[in-house]
Amino acid sequence: ETGVTQSPTHLIKTRGQQVTLRCSSQSGHNTVSWYQQALGQGPQFIFQYYREEENGRGNFPPRFSGLQFPNYSSELNVNALELDDSALYLCASSLGSGPTGGANVLTFGAGSRLTVL
Amino acid sequence: SQQGEEDPQALSIQEGENATMNCSYKTSINNLQWYRQNSGRGLVHLILIRSNEREKHSGRLRVTLDTSKKSSSLLITASRAADTASYFCATDFKAAGNKLTFGGGTRVLVKP
Repeated sequence: ETGVTQSPTHLIKTRGQQVTLRCSSQSGHNTVSWYQQALGQGPQFIFQYYREEENGRGNFPPRFSGLQFPNYSSELNVNALELDDSALYLCASSLGSGPTGGANVLTFGAGSRLTVL
Repeated sequence: SQQGEEDPQALSIQEGENATMNCSYKTSINNLQWYRQNSGRGLVHLILIRSNEREKHSGRLRVTLDTSKKSSSLLITASRAADTASYFCATDFKAAGNKLTFGGGTRVLVKP
């Protein structure tokens, strides 16, 4: 059973550029959640995908977008990067039961550390 | 904010001592979870306690939940240097569906 893998592990971008982060969910999981974690803070919920549909979104602007694929892997895209987007981006997978189900235990990847200059 | 908030923000103890950290939240929850994070890497799930439970144990970990006070505590007994990490509570608010909301964390340093 493989865990959650994220790529790339580190990347540096300049303000205004676009970035795509990738996540392979744990085998058997159907739900992917993305979090942004600034240095010294707790993870902030960006959005969640359940069976390829967005299933909730946090307080992030539309330039943060995502996809979930039929194999339940996922992408996070951020357009028009700003300096404040510098953070650790965490992907977590879980076996969910959809919009009406309670939250389940999350299995996290090691994260992608984005630096925006 | 609906986030859980941990207290204290930082904790320094000697190996062998117990470490206690608390989490408070504001609205009704389905469950509360605790996670550990080492050096800015991914989070690792420690324990889940449901809203109808009052206490759970897992190895050296003991979690309590008081829904009347909207608070939880995590106790690590007989701490080890390897317990040095940040600990986060995460709440599953009934109004927020099935998304976990994390607090700011408690940074624990266990000195050998």
